Amino acid sequence: DSGVTQTPKHLITATGQRVTLRCSPRSGDLSVYWYQQSLDQGLQFLIQYYNGEERAKGNILERFSAQQFPDLHSELNLSSLELGDSALYFCASSVAAVNTEAFFGQGTRLTVV
Amino acid sequence: DQQVKQNSPSLSVQEGRISILNCDYTNSMFDYFLWYKKYPAEGPTFLISISSIKDKNEDGRFTVFLNKSAKHLSLHIVPSQPGDSAVYFCAASAKDGGSYIPTFGRGTSLIVHP
Repeated sequence: DSGVTQTPKHLITATGQRVTLRCSPRSGDLSVYWYQQSLDQGLQFLIQYYNGEERAKGNILERFSAQQFPDLHSELNLSSLELGDSALYFCASSVAAVNTEAFFGQGTRLTVV
Repeated sequence: DQQVKQNSPSLSVQEGRISILNCDYTNSMFDYFLWYKKYPAEGPTFLISISSIKDKNEDGRFTVFLNKSAKHLSLHIVPSQPGDSAVYFCAASAKDGGSYIPTFGRGTSLIVHP
C-alpha cells in the first residue's frame, strides 16, 4: 500500500460527458502528479501541483483540468470525453516538488463508450 | 518522439539467473533516472534510482548502471525470482523550472520462470 488513494477505481461513461477523478496523497506529501497510461503506452505526465499551486504542466488537453485543495487532495476533471480518453489515470505524490521518488496510487480505469 | 525508449516489450528469464532490462534516452539534459515496477491492477512502485554523477547504484538484488556517453541505462536483477515478474518502467528527468518531472518509457514485461 503506497498510501496514495485514488477514487473511483473504475469509471464507465459516455462520450461527451464529464468526470472527476480524485486523489488523496500520502500523509505529509505536498506534491501531487497526474499521469495517463493508454494502451501499450508509457506513463504520460499531465500536470503537477505543489501545496495548492500548479507547478508543472505536461501534455494535458484543454478539456482536462486539475486542482489541489487546501487539504492537499487533488481532483482531475475530464470533460467532453472522447473514446480516445479511455485510459488508466494515475495519481502520484511526493514530499517535495522535486520528484526524486514518487508514490503512485492504484489508478482509475476510465472507459469511454 | 519518445525520449525514453525501452525497446524490449518483454523478457523471459529462468529463476536464479540474471535479468537485464535496458533503457535508452535521447535527451542529454536528463540527469536523474529511476526504475519503477508495476504489478497488474496496482500503481507503479519505485525501485531504484541513479543520478548522472554516478555510473552505478546498487540496492540488494537490484543494480542500475548508467552509461552517459551512450545515453543508456540498465537494470540488473540478480538472482531473479518469480516474484520479480512485473512490468518495469524506466524514467528519466531533467531539472526544469526547479521541478523534476520524469519521462517514462513504455515498459518491459519481465517473466521469471520457476
